[in-house]
Amino acid sequence: DSGVTQTPKHLITATGQRVTLRCSPRSGDLSVYWYQQSLDQGLQFLIQYYNGEERAKGNILERFSAQQFPDLHSELNLSSLELGDSALYFCASSVGGDPTDTQYFGPGTRLTVL
Amino acid sequence: GNSVTQMEGPVTLSEEAFLTINCTYTATGYPSLFWYVQYPGEGLQLLLKATKADDKGSNKGFEATYRKETTSFHLEKGSVQVSDSAVYFCALSDRLSGGYNKLIFGAGTRLAVHP
Repeated sequence: DSGVTQTPKHLITATGQRVTLRCSPRSGDLSVYWYQQSLDQGLQFLIQYYNGEERAKGNILERFSAQQFPDLHSELNLSSLELGDSALYFCASSVGGDPTDTQYFGPGTRLTVL
Repeated sequence: GNSVTQMEGPVTLSEEAFLTINCTYTATGYPSLFWYVQYPGEGLQLLLKATKADDKGSNKGFEATYRKETTSFHLEKGSVQVSDSAVYFCALSDRLSGGYNKLIFGAGTRLAVHP
């Protein structure tokens, strides 16, 4: 158990809908990262937050957004969903944002768009 | 940009065989290198890491040495077990502007160990 929790575990929805994925980092970790894992794209970095502020963006679509709240939990919002958004979405956390910091991953949320 | 290339799988071995999974990277500067493992139906777990050249990471019988001269971080284990069957990901941490980092992953290598 990494100490990172994600809810829900599974999500099934229809095209055009909007969903929210939630992540609670390990106690004491200030950085939260979101990654997408799909069969064709592999593991891709989406976005990073550090202590409530957005720090870096990767391959995140404009239809997607995220935020980190004062209690440090984070939410990833996916809107106008398309079939191609079906994937595993992982949250990770680390103490800070240094490249030597280990990122600890949650169990993931499997999103299926029908 | 920075990237990670690892050998394609699946790798199929018999129990107690020697394992090598090759990983090479392209990076500017001095990234940290990681191996993560993903067991079926689970998230990614850190297996080992190395933060500077010539460092050796080790855990659970797995080892990998950060070789700057060959830009490699190959994963090895002397005697695999059935329980090692999983997908293994090589990754590097890429320092972004502002000093913050993201992980860049290889495509993953599936390992299947048979009794």
